[in-house]
Amino acid sequence: TQLLEQSPQFLSIQEGENLTVYCNSSSVFSSLQWYRQEPGEGPVLLVTVVTGGEVKKLKRLTFQFGDARKDSSLHITAAQPGDTGLYLCAGAEYGNKLVFGAGTILRVKS
Amino acid sequence: DTGVSQNPRHKITKRGQNVTFRCDPISEHNRLYWYRQTLGQGPEFLTYFQNEAQLEKSRLLSDRFSAERPKGSFSTLEIQRTEQGDSAMYLCASSPGTGVRYGYTFGSGTRLTVV
Repeated sequence: TQLLEQSPQFLSIQEGENLTVYCNSSSVFSSLQWYRQEPGEGPVLLVTVVTGGEVKKLKRLTFQFGDARKDSSLHITAAQPGDTGLYLCAGAEYGNKLVFGAGTILRVKS
Repeated sequence: DTGVSQNPRHKITKRGQNVTFRCDPISEHNRLYWYRQTLGQGPEFLTYFQNEAQLEKSRLLSDRFSAERPKGSFSTLEIQRTEQGDSAMYLCASSPGTGVRYGYTFGSGTRLTVV
């Protein structure tokens, strides 16, 4: 099974700051997805990236898939308290089964 | 369709008892997945179905765990002779196909506590 490492594990920032979360693997994935999870709830899909080098934007969130399709990053501009949550990256193994990283806990203070 | 539904939301059971969880996926989704998540970790894959066929089962799943998806609709996950190490959030997800572009829709999970 391919492994995904996320960093940092925990991030506490002030409202208005920018941040980047990283997701790395030594393996190639057919696609990579980012999810956000709130306490007591299931993860919610934010984005899917498929092509090496692909960049997708979702309002203040920017997602990038590495050229070699082994890594990805999530950048949040001007973070807000509503961005607080657990951010998970997940790589799709061939056959569509997802492998998840351990997640990054983000806390945005007002 | 209101999404993926899981029942119960919470279950407290004594060690050694059997428990069963139910998952109702989005009706047009032919793939259904079970994951387990412990505190501070991402979801770990347990098993998945395409329609009624169970296609893969994780090595994490001992013989005490069994899952079914009769008629390719809802699914059940049973844990026999529960142990304290089984305490976790059990998540069900569904997806509409096998392509890499399809994300998962997760349910809210069943939180199991074994005492």
